[in-house]
Amino acid sequence: SQTIHQWPATLVQPVGSPLSLECTVEGTSNPNLYWYRQAAGRGLQLLFYSVGIGQISSEVPQNLSASRPQDRQFILSSKKLLLSDSGFYLCAWDAWTGNTEAFFGQGTRLTVV
Amino acid sequence: GIQVEQSPPDLILQEGANSTLRCNFSDSVNNLQWFHQNPWGQLINLFYIPSGTKQNGRLSATTVATERYSLLYISSSQTTDSGVYFCAVVRYSSASKIIFGSGTRLSIRP
Repeated sequence: SQTIHQWPATLVQPVGSPLSLECTVEGTSNPNLYWYRQAAGRGLQLLFYSVGIGQISSEVPQNLSASRPQDRQFILSSKKLLLSDSGFYLCAWDAWTGNTEAFFGQGTRLTVV
Repeated sequence: GIQVEQSPPDLILQEGANSTLRCNFSDSVNNLQWFHQNPWGQLINLFYIPSGTKQNGRLSATTVATERYSLLYISSSQTTDSGVYFCAVVRYSSASKIIFGSGTRLSIRP
């Protein structure tokens, strides 16, 4: 069966420090991969999605970037964190074939101080 | 792009009550899912329901794709049903992005 792993679960980082969040999927090939952010008490905002290795689409201009170095690995990064980058980050996948459910990782709660 | 609206934004009920949550979408969709976000933030898959009706225990969902809405029914609510319920859609012509509604925050009082 397919599983999605996301880490770390929580992270406290100072302003100006770099960021790297990792997401991996097991049990499937060529998944669509997504990064979402959720501010406190708000909905989910799509940040990036990827349909294949090295293929990244950005949804909103921001201080973050994403990379997909391997088929089932999706990384969210920042060179210098801002206070406004705080939030709950969720990774998700669904099948490239379409007509399937999407599944989410357990999320990373990032606090920038 | 496609717009997804959920109502009501907040709902407070007593344990044992029934509730109906609504999701309207502005254009035809290929996929539709309902999620429950628990107090720890985890998104739990409830239903994958691009059309038709499904039931799982006390929960059921109906999507009327031609009229661009979906309903989530919760019967005999329990305190563990509390949390935020999200509707999410995919439209292939929009590059298959998963677009979420703003959610319904459900609070069940004992």
